[in-house]
Amino acid sequence: SQQGEEDPQALSIQEGENATMNCSYKTSINNLQWYRQNSGRGLVHLILIRSNEREKHSGRLRVTLDTSKKSSSLLITASRAADTASYFCATAPNSGNTPLVFGKGTRLSVIA
Amino acid sequence: DAEITQSPRHKITETGRQVTLACHQTWNHNNMFWYRQDLGHGLRLIHYSYGVQDTNKGEVSDGYSVSRSNTEDLPLTLESAASSQTSVYFCASSASKGAREQYFGPGTRLTVT
Repeated sequence: SQQGEEDPQALSIQEGENATMNCSYKTSINNLQWYRQNSGRGLVHLILIRSNEREKHSGRLRVTLDTSKKSSSLLITASRAADTASYFCATAPNSGNTPLVFGKGTRLSVIA
Repeated sequence: DAEITQSPRHKITETGRQVTLACHQTWNHNNMFWYRQDLGHGLRLIHYSYGVQDTNKGEVSDGYSVSRSNTEDLPLTLESAASSQTSVYFCASSASKGAREQYFGPGTRLTVT
């Protein structure tokens, strides 16, 4: 069963606005990762945040992690039509041999 | 450039047939994974391998098998295809079991009629 649960399931915004997606998880983690999936394509890794980090930036992406609340958020600033995609969080459990667990994703539509 | 490829990209088969989906990576990663993606379920792990001769069951392994005879390939076999196995299948590889990112293939769309 999925550990990460994204919220909202779908999000529609205008180009230039910011998009925020949230991810909640249940057990302790080593790290949390965000991936993007364009329609009909495989997932692409965006950013990884470790359990001892609180915030991380990459270009227009900002990820926060609150381990006390077991939650993370992905902020895309100044969104573009090309950001239209599904976004997934994935958690790496603390037990070293367990693979990543993916959430169900947030479908983001950016309207030009 | 290193890459991960899947074949075929699309496959239509009949119920009861054996089907093998290929996955090949040139990253030289020890860790490889198979997922299926269905509407409403996100990505679910089928099988994974942490090295040659190592295979492990994932969340939805019933009806599927894998074998790992070399570093580059992890074929996924559906022993007797069922309509419930109609899905999009993704292969991925990683330099570590969980601490690093995964690299995904383009996917195989399988339809079982």
